[in-house]
Amino acid sequence: DQQVKQNSPSLSVQEGRISILNCDYTNSMFDYFLWYKKYPAEGPTFLISISSIKDKNEDGRFTVFLNKSAKHLSLHIVPSQPGDSAVYFCAASTNTDKLIFGTGTRLQVFP
Amino acid sequence: DADVTQTPRNRITKTGKRIMLECSQTKGHDRMYWYRQDPGLGLRLIYYSFDVKDINKGEISDGYSVSRQAQAKFSLSLESAIPNQTALYFCATSDFSEGSDGYTFGSGTRLTVV
Repeated sequence: DQQVKQNSPSLSVQEGRISILNCDYTNSMFDYFLWYKKYPAEGPTFLISISSIKDKNEDGRFTVFLNKSAKHLSLHIVPSQPGDSAVYFCAASTNTDKLIFGTGTRLQVFP
Repeated sequence: DADVTQTPRNRITKTGKRIMLECSQTKGHDRMYWYRQDPGLGLRLIYYSFDVKDINKGEISDGYSVSRQAQAKFSLSLESAIPNQTALYFCATSDFSEGSDGYTFGSGTRLTVV
């Protein structure tokens, strides 16, 4: 069973607008959540994270929201830029154990 | 030089052959991981190691084995390759604690089994 799910395989957004990427998880023991970004022919790179004791974390244009009761995580990118076009993976872990990744969402930002 | 180096970058092999993918890191991290990426399935954990004497199976370890030769080296072997092991393989390292930046990934090895 997929413990971390990204139900939208792709998303297309106009430059300057907000991109919202969603992630759902099933394991209530997860206490740390991350977003990774992946360009073609490269490994994933860390983008932003959030602990389960918080409900929001912001870093520049990127904000991650956590709704523990709904077991839902989202990444907001404002404003979206063409360079943000990539595959985004959410990931979760328990007690600093191994990361479990979602299936990924391909974001395309067009002019 | 890259923090996490994977070799080879690309490999085509025949069904039934044994193949080894290598990973080395200069991060000084204790923890190392092997993942595979498949379209629509995301990144799935194959094996992981929290130190040189610690090896653990991940979600999809069948058909794979690993060797942690040193803190900096973690190899993945396919004992008898089969076509459904065609995938993009990633090695990662971590010094995982709350507030850290998670994993550092290598650039990947694209493996094709024909």
